[in-house]
Amino acid sequence: GAGVSQTPSNKVTEKGKYVELRCDPISGHTALYWYRQSLGQGPEFLIYFQGTGAADDSGLPNDRFFAVRPEGSVSTLKIQRTERGDSAVYLCASSLNGGYANTGELFFGEGSRLTVL
Amino acid sequence: AQKVTQAQTEISVVEKEDVTLDCVYETRDTTYYLFWYKQPPSGELVFLIRRNSFDEQNEISGRYSWNFQKSTSSFNFTITASQVVDSAVYFCALTPMNTGFQKLVFGTGTRLLVSP
Repeated sequence: GAGVSQTPSNKVTEKGKYVELRCDPISGHTALYWYRQSLGQGPEFLIYFQGTGAADDSGLPNDRFFAVRPEGSVSTLKIQRTERGDSAVYLCASSLNGGYANTGELFFGEGSRLTVL
Repeated sequence: AQKVTQAQTEISVVEKEDVTLDCVYETRDTTYYLFWYKQPPSGELVFLIRRNSFDEQNEISGRYSWNFQKSTSSFNFTITASQVVDSAVYFCALTPMNTGFQKLVFGTGTRLLVSP
């Protein structure tokens, strides 16, 4: 597709369940980011991939959160034993490369809204 | 550590009014980038501008203009002759240059409501 695609757009789950959120970046973009946006807040950095590897995962809140990008395109954010505090919109973004060679523009998806009951 | 403060939670204006969105930042880094993003109701963040810390020239793009003042650590955004389509949440963000990638620190955003 033309833009960053995220699925599902909405996910409601119960506390303690496992959740996977998918991101399909713009074709050819090597850099992929996950951010989390809680209600009324700005997005917060979670993890950055350059190609297949997680170059920086310092924003992941704890070891219940994990993300993969096995073939360097689609990425999956995985959350184990979900808690009510995990409720947020999870935003994915991609860019042509990880550095600042171009305008520095990140292209964001519309996000996956996760609600943990 | 970096911090971005957008003190204005919500601003309401009538169409054709000019409006300025404030952004104040804190960083110990000597080189960094500043950004503005727009978030319409659909949810995706739309890039508006990037400025680097050693270029304090103000920039104008159509009805949008940005005033970067390093002395006051501010990067304010002005919309001239606002339109209803400008209604959105606007985020200011910062990233140090030395990370080599965009580890953005966002402010809490300013919701702009433009009424006809």
